Amino acid sequence: AQSVSQHNHHVILSEAASLELGCNYSYGGTVNLFWYVQYPGQHLQLLLKYFSGDPLVKGIKGFEAEFIKSKFSFNLRKPSVQWSDTAEYFCAVRDINTGTASKLTFGTGTRLQVTL
Amino acid sequence: DADVTQTPRNRITKTGKRIMLECSQTKGHDRMYWYRQDPGLGLRLIYYSFDVKDINKGEISDGYSVSRQAQAKFSLSLESAIPNQTALYFCATSDSGRYITDTQYFGPGTRLTVL
Repeated sequence: AQSVSQHNHHVILSEAASLELGCNYSYGGTVNLFWYVQYPGQHLQLLLKYFSGDPLVKGIKGFEAEFIKSKFSFNLRKPSVQWSDTAEYFCAVRDINTGTASKLTFGTGTRLQVTL
Repeated sequence: DADVTQTPRNRITKTGKRIMLECSQTKGHDRMYWYRQDPGLGLRLIYYSFDVKDINKGEISDGYSVSRQAQAKFSLSLESAIPNQTALYFCATSDSGRYITDTQYFGPGTRLTVL
């Protein structure tokens, strides 16, 4: 079964610092990849997604992620974080070669704290 | 996402009580999901439904049941709540018409505390 690893559990950055959050999945083959963000007290919102094509995906609020198939990775990046980026970030993977399944497998999340 | 609503938003109950969490969506999606979120564990799938007549167990379905009353409604029940079911519960929807590219959209969550 697919598993998703987010090695950084808690990241603390100063405003304007650059961000990279790691995401690795375990199972090869054709996958869809997602990053969701959960702001304090709010529900999950889609940040960006990769289905096919250009492996560098741009999302909302200046975030981007790069799919590296050979490394089973989909790391999230932002050149300059803001205090308002303080949130929990979840990577999720969907295997599209498993019949009709549309299930997502989530990582355990990375809590980002941005200090002023 | 305002198109996916969950009721109640918060619930405190006692061990052994029956609890129902409800999810409604106006997105017109046919697929619906229930997840629970626990600190340090991320989101785990409880049940999912690809249409009204299709219900499937997820990875942690024990102690839970679901009902898909209509395309737009998907309820999660805890027949006899226990304290380790204390968690944040999310409903999500997606559109099978976009099989290869479908994206799940989440409701605001229900915080359940079992004493």
